[in-house]
Amino acid sequence: AQSVTQLDSQVPVFEEAPVELRCNYSSSVSVYLFWYVQYPNQGLQLLLKYLSGSTLVKGINGFEAEFNKSQTSFHLRKPSVHISDTAEYFCAVTLSGNTGKLIFGQGTTLQVKP
Amino acid sequence: GAGVSQSPRYKVAKRGQDVALRCDPISGHVSLFWYQQALGQGPEFLTYFQNEAQLDKSGLPSDRFFAERPEGSVSTLKIQRTQQEDSAVYLCASSFETSGNSPLHFGNGTRLTVT
Repeated sequence: AQSVTQLDSQVPVFEEAPVELRCNYSSSVSVYLFWYVQYPNQGLQLLLKYLSGSTLVKGINGFEAEFNKSQTSFHLRKPSVHISDTAEYFCAVTLSGNTGKLIFGQGTTLQVKP
Repeated sequence: GAGVSQSPRYKVAKRGQDVALRCDPISGHVSLFWYQQALGQGPEFLTYFQNEAQLDKSGLPSDRFFAERPEGSVSTLKIQRTQQEDSAVYLCASSFETSGNSPLHFGNGTRLTVT
């Protein structure tokens, strides 16, 4: 079975500083990887996804993530954060070729301070 | 509509009551998912429809939970005899294709509080 671990429950950071949100997954077979963002009282919005090919994936709002198969990681990064990036971030995995049934991590709260 | 619509946005039920939560997916989307998100947790899969067929209901926590999508568009999640542990946000998501590489579009959820 697949599982996702987000290593930090909360990440406080100052505005314009870089940030990395960590995600590790476990699976014995090939997977697709995703990062979603959730603003208060809203649904989840897709930031980026890794399906295959280049291990560096660029998404919306200046975010990017790197797939590392040997370390089974898919960490999310942004070189300079804004106050508006304050939100909950979820890493998720699904089996390649599956129906799209996602297994989510517990989430990381990104708190951007002025 | 432009996105996935869920109603009601908030629902308060007394323990033992039945509730029905509605999801209007994006028009033409084949796949529809229901997730349950407890406070401070990530969403957890409940059930999956491909058109009107419920292909996976492995995540439904008990036989009090029932979902349907009779015409392959609107879906309803019903919870019978609600319990306090059912309190959560219920998220609906749809996608155009049936494969995992098609992104899911989520609604804003229904927050259910059981008192």
